[in-house]
Amino acid sequence: DTGVSQNPRHKITKRGQNVTFRCDPISEHNRLYWYRQTLGQGPEFLTYFQNEAQLEKSRLLSDRFSAERPKGSFSTLEIQRTEQGDSAMYLCASSRTQNTEAFFGQGTRLTVV
Amino acid sequence: AQKVTQAQTEISVVEKEDVTLDCVYETRDTTYYLFWYKQPPSGELVFLIRRNSFDEQNEISGRYSWNFQKSTSSFNFTITASQVVDSAVYFCALSGLNDNAGNMLTFGGGTRLMVKP
Repeated sequence: DTGVSQNPRHKITKRGQNVTFRCDPISEHNRLYWYRQTLGQGPEFLTYFQNEAQLEKSRLLSDRFSAERPKGSFSTLEIQRTEQGDSAMYLCASSRTQNTEAFFGQGTRLTVV
Repeated sequence: AQKVTQAQTEISVVEKEDVTLDCVYETRDTTYYLFWYKQPPSGELVFLIRRNSFDEQNEISGRYSWNFQKSTSSFNFTITASQVVDSAVYFCALSGLNDNAGNMLTFGGGTRLMVKP
């Protein structure tokens, strides 16, 4: 069990640039989740996938955000035209089913300057 | 709407003291899960426990124990004989139990625990 892997661990970008993060879930985990955590706050749900299907999106996920999970394996989260308010830790989690515990990766810390 | 409140933003104790982290939740769901996660400085959220709303029995795991009281909508976490390695931010979280809600977690704001030697 190699755990949930996220890349990159840190990303600094200029405002207006596009960024993409990758999450590799634990093998055979059908569910994959994205959360955002700002400094000093708890994580906030963004979206989740059941295999390759994106089943739920939070209102936090503006039109500039898009997530994919082709073939139901790894997932990518893209932010277009980044804004300073997008600076946060982006956490990915996976679970075997809907009712088993979710395991989190170490996150990607995004800084928009 | 769901809400989780962790009123203690920061707690500082001396090693070997017992410490209780409070968690109060609000939900309209009649069935739900409650969780505790630990976030050490490395940033990764570490799963500690999941409890479903059907089961109000308290649970003990080593130095950790959890007190679930449905009547007061609380799910408190106690660390007995705290150690420096327990220093971290602890999050309480809530999710529904319906088909689509599992693991769509609503987190509290977290409690930063500092254990001094």
